[in-house]
Amino acid sequence: DVKVTQSSRYLVKRTGEKVFLECVQDMDHENMFWYRQDPGLGLRLIYFSYDVKMKEKGDIPEGYSVSREKKERFSLILESASTNQTSMYLCASRRTGNSYEQYFGPGTRLTVT
Amino acid sequence: ILNVEQSPQSLHVQEGDSTNFTCSFPSSNFYALHWYRWETAKSPEALFVMTLNGDEKKKGRISATLNTKEGYSYLYIKGSQPEDSATYLCALENAGNMLTFGGGTRLMVKP
Repeated sequence: DVKVTQSSRYLVKRTGEKVFLECVQDMDHENMFWYRQDPGLGLRLIYFSYDVKMKEKGDIPEGYSVSREKKERFSLILESASTNQTSMYLCASRRTGNSYEQYFGPGTRLTVT
Repeated sequence: ILNVEQSPQSLHVQEGDSTNFTCSFPSSNFYALHWYRWETAKSPEALFVMTLNGDEKKKGRISATLNTKEGYSYLYIKGSQPEDSATYLCALENAGNMLTFGGGTRLMVKP
């Protein structure tokens, strides 16, 4: 049974705190992704990685950074959390190649107060 | 940024009703169209990945069609059940294998 796990389902942080969201996949996938989901806006890509230590900006990278030191783990970092980063964060992984589905984690609902 | 649109944004149906919703996308630079189902408190799960114009795929009571020339895909649910309540997401895959998601259609099926 393939699996993508995220470190927390719910998280409450204060403005200005540094926040780490961890994602682990057990499928040996090369590609990993971080999205945020806000009502009416669908999933928006923050960052992705196609290999260890590689990272690429997605559509909304501002205020975020990522780390991929091991193939199975992709971390999203909020250097200084702000209230507009309150959202649902989804991690996903995928094999390299055409028309492969993405596998998603259960999401982390982050609230920044 | 590619514009992938889904309609309606939300939908309430009675148990037993059949329903359908739409995903529209720019027909240029098409590579594949994905459908995902996202139930509350669970991970989004892939339903279909469609690549050919005229493709029709089926999984139980759920089916999908694809028209790449006019840039749309329909998802149909026959005889909706309460367990079909979820958000249905479509995503356009480009030649770089990146997905652009639509805003989703939230389906609620009343018993």
